[in-house]
Amino acid sequence: AQSVTQPDIHITVSEGASLELRCNYSYGATPYLFWYVQSPGQGLQLLLKYFSGDTLVQGIKGFEAEFKRSQSSFNLRKPSVHWSDAAEYFCAVGHVNTGNQFYFGTGTSLTVIP
Amino acid sequence: DTAVSQTPKYLVTQMGNDKSIKCEQNLGHDTMYWYKQDSKKFLKIMFSYNNKELIINETVPNRFSPKSPDKAHLNLHINSLELGDSAVYFCASSPTGLRSGNTIYFGEGSWLTVV
Repeated sequence: AQSVTQPDIHITVSEGASLELRCNYSYGATPYLFWYVQSPGQGLQLLLKYFSGDTLVQGIKGFEAEFKRSQSSFNLRKPSVHWSDAAEYFCAVGHVNTGNQFYFGTGTSLTVIP
Repeated sequence: DTAVSQTPKYLVTQMGNDKSIKCEQNLGHDTMYWYKQDSKKFLKIMFSYNNKELIINETVPNRFSPKSPDKAHLNLHINSLELGDSAVYFCASSPTGLRSGNTIYFGEGSWLTVV
């Protein structure tokens, strides 16, 4: 069965520091991978996605993520965090074989301190 | 223009009541979804419709009944509301599912509180 794991429930970083949020997936084939962000009281906004090709993908708001097949990972990174990045971050996986099914990780809550 | 819009955004109601949440998308997508986000922020798919046809129906109590009058609308009706139904319900849409590697776009959520 497909699954997505976000090992870190909560992360705190200082403004200006670098950030890496971890995501691991379990699936037999290369899935489609996504990162979404949810600000407090808001819906989910797509940050970036990977389908194929270059394993380093760039997203909005200065985020990037790298697909590593050998590690079944799709970690999200940002070189310098801004206070407005404080939010909940969700990794998600889908695949053509899962039809319209989309599996989300349990989320990582990011706190940014001044 | 909001791509995926759902109403109401906030809903407080008593146990036992029946309520509906409406969703509309103006993206021209033919697949729509309902997701439930619980108090621990866990997101789980409830239903998926493609061209008005139900294609995913996860283990959801039959008190929840989706209705898709056309491919731009997917409403969620909930009968006999229970305390455990309190959650955020997200509507979403995508073009032709994930077959061509497309993306799911979410509405802003409907915060349901059952008292």
